[in-house]
Amino acid sequence: NAGVTQTPKFQVLKTGQSMTLQCAQDMNHNSMYWYRQDPGMGLRLIYYSASEGTTDKGEVPNGYNVSRLNKREFSLRLESAAPSQTSVYFCASSEAAGGRGSYGYTFGSGTRLTVV
Amino acid sequence: KNEVEQSPQNLTAQEGEFITINCSYSVGISALHWLQQHPGGGIVSLFMLSSGKKKHGRLIATINIQEKHSSLHITASHPRDSAVYICAVRAQKLVFGQGTRLTINP
Repeated sequence: NAGVTQTPKFQVLKTGQSMTLQCAQDMNHNSMYWYRQDPGMGLRLIYYSASEGTTDKGEVPNGYNVSRLNKREFSLRLESAAPSQTSVYFCASSEAAGGRGSYGYTFGSGTRLTVV
Repeated sequence: KNEVEQSPQNLTAQEGEFITINCSYSVGISALHWLQQHPGGGIVSLFMLSSGKKKHGRLIATINIQEKHSSLHITASHPRDSAVYICAVRAQKLVFGQGTRLTINP
């Protein structure tokens, strides 16, 4: 099915470990996003890529890096995980920046990350 | 004060009831999104609107740009409508509300 695929779905890390969350979309969307969702808070933007070859910081970029590998793929890396990064992470895409396009945003199913 | 406020935070209703979820925002926007987050965690985009009203099945979304307010209505609610409904506004960035948890009892 067309959409946004995120891997892994669940992950437990020890403090200081690194990992990369993978995201791929097959809708030929130009823009891709990484959000985190924490209890009692709305989704917060970590990084986004308005188009292939560009990335920009969002609200909460500290402790993360991203790579827009190609038009399809946008990965999020935690270089040295901290307990404060325990969260649910969502990747999303849209035809154009800001959710412009016929269908707004399409979200992946989320990655539940726990850092102990 | 959050830029996007949703009310109520939690709503429990009986099957068949008419449901209204409200979203107020304090910034100038170019569009507003309503999203649905299922109990399993997946997020689905329901509506994107910049004026007026949109309808999809039993769901209706309205927006009043002058009053900076949007509503999401569900007619003939069903237990499968139980989810968290999230309002997000597109200003210089996309700002999300905290969500409204809706539970429909049979």
